[in-house]
Amino acid sequence: KQEVTQIPAALSVPEGENLVLNCSFTDSAIYNLQWFRQDPGKGLTSLLLIQSSQREQTSGRLNASLDKSSGRSTLYIAASQPGDSATYLCAVHEGAQKLVFGQGTRLTINP
Amino acid sequence: EAQVTQNPRYLITVTGKKLTVTCSQNMNHEYMSWYRQDPGLGLRQIYYSMNVEVTDKGDVPEGYKVSRKEKRNFPLILESPSPNQTSLYFCASSSLLEEKLFFGSGTQLSVL
Repeated sequence: KQEVTQIPAALSVPEGENLVLNCSFTDSAIYNLQWFRQDPGKGLTSLLLIQSSQREQTSGRLNASLDKSSGRSTLYIAASQPGDSATYLCAVHEGAQKLVFGQGTRLTINP
Repeated sequence: EAQVTQNPRYLITVTGKKLTVTCSQNMNHEYMSWYRQDPGLGLRQIYYSMNVEVTDKGDVPEGYKVSRKEKRNFPLILESPSPNQTSLYFCASSSLLEEKLFFGSGTQLSVL
């Protein structure tokens, strides 16, 4: 059974720092991998989707990488801002719509 | 505006009283799915649907029913709710071509 782990569970950094969030999964036979952010009391917003044939995706200050062979993905956030404070979740697509989520990393950016 | 709409936002009910949580999307998406989010357990998939009249079980389908009679709607039905179904529920949708998920704002359900 696929298991997705995100470490650390919480992270606090000063504004302006570059940071990396980690996601690991146990079964490398994945379809896609998607990163989300969740703000308190709100739904999830998709940030980046990496298809299994891709190694990375970029959107603005965000860069996500995927290494299927090692069962790892990272989300890199450049020049962090207080507005980046949220919980970040990764989800592995076992099929097109069969998703398994990690428990998330709660990120706090201190002004 | 492209969106996934869930109703109600908050719901308090009693054990055994049937309830339906509605979900509607205006993006003509083929895929729709339901999740529950619990502290310490994260988000878990309940059911998903590939298209009209096509549904399949996720990881935690027990105690739930779904139907997909129209492309835009995917209601979640709890025939006989129990306290262990107290949770935050999310509906999501995506297109066949671009699998980026769009989530609703969530339904906080309490079963007493």
